[in-house]
Order: sequence, then structure tokens, then C-alpha cells
Amino acid sequence: DTEVTQTPKHLVMGMTNKKSLKCEQHMGHRAMYWYKQKAKKPPELMFVYSYEKLSINESVPSRFSPECPNSSLLNLHLHALQPEDSALYLCASSQESSLTSTAGELFFGEGSRLTVL
Amino acid sequence: DQQVKQNSPSLSVQEGRISILNCDYTNSMFDYFLWYKKYPAEGPTFLISISSIKDKNEDGRFTVFLNKSAKHLSLHIVPSQPGDSAVYFCAAINQAGTALIFGKGTTLSVSS
Repeated sequence: DTEVTQTPKHLVMGMTNKKSLKCEQHMGHRAMYWYKQKAKKPPELMFVYSYEKLSINESVPSRFSPECPNSSLLNLHLHALQPEDSALYLCASSQESSLTSTAGELFFGEGSRLTVL
Repeated sequence: DQQVKQNSPSLSVQEGRISILNCDYTNSMFDYFLWYKKYPAEGPTFLISISSIKDKNEDGRFTVFLNKSAKHLSLHIVPSQPGDSAVYFCAAINQAGTALIFGKGTTLSVSS
């Protein structure tokens, strides 16, 4: 089983809503990631979670809030988002937190397509 | 400022011919590079990687070449197949070794 599961696949929310994106992996991987991808742009790292420690990209606004209930789950809580936050949110995992030891192989989920109205 | 650049947004190739996808990077401290492939409605999947101590790595129809002095790498697909039609992302492992920095991607279309 090499699957990273993301739910929901599509989400439409208003600017005053609170919603969550969920990500789960059962490969025993030690690191999990959230990336954001807008159209015709590269995926951009938002958060990294490894060894029970969360690393945050300082440019990510506080309206995005990650949560790690356990080592196989990495949720992304959304609150008071803006229309410009509409994007594809990709979750990924890697066997180790040091990517050079795993040849940089990340396992991605299918993504959650978020639309903020 | 983008550290990994894919300057060709798209490439069209006939089945059986060679596809060459190019990538440039700006940070000479990067020492591990990767290619990912993405189909519509799917997440990116790992394709092939190369360490800076090598100048070539081959896996079946896919070969990645690295030119460190030019800060350039390329992915060669020979022979190209219609199933190879996808978006190809070039990526580098960041200096801390903790995350990937992606290029914008190149959309490859292989016609039969």
C-alpha cells in the first residue's frame, strides 16, 4: 500500500467558513508535507511535519493551521480564507525527513481542490 | 525569485521520437535533483533522481543528465509514448535536505 489519501477532493467555502483538509498515510513514513499549487505555478511548500515537530514556512498566513493528531495524519484547518487562497492543496509523505537519504522521493495524494468564494 | 526554472511550458513530440525536457537552477549548493510526472486529477509521482556527484542516471526509457557548471539538467525520454503525455516537474532538494523546490512544470504531449 503506497497511498496517501486526501479528503475532500473538492471543497467550496465562503470567506467566513471554517473547514479542514485531511491527509492520511499508512506507509509508516516519518515526514508529511502540505504543498499549495496555483494554476501554472510550481507546488509551494507550506508545512513539514517530522518526528513530532512541525516546521512552518514563515510566509504562510495564520489563516492556515496544521494539526498532527498522530504520525499518520496531517490535517490543514482553514479559517477566514481569501479568494486568492483558491488552489490545489497537495499532501505528501516521505520515508525519512532527510530527503537526501530517500533520493527525494515524496509520495503525493491526489490533492484537494479548494475554491474560496 | 524562482530557484528552479523550467522555461518551456509545453512540448509536443511524435510517438517513438525523443522527448527532451529542460530545467535550470540558480543555487549552486543544490546537490540532489528529481523529476516528477503528473497526470490530470492525480498527484505528482516520482520519476527519476540524480545526485550532483553524477552526470547521468538512467532508468529504462528515462535518462536524466546533469551539467553542474551550467546549472542545467535535462530529462530524456526515448522512445516517447502517448502514455508519457503529462506535466513534468523538475525539483531540487533544499539545502536543509527537508523539502523539495519545484519548477513550474512542462506539459508534454506525445501524439501517435
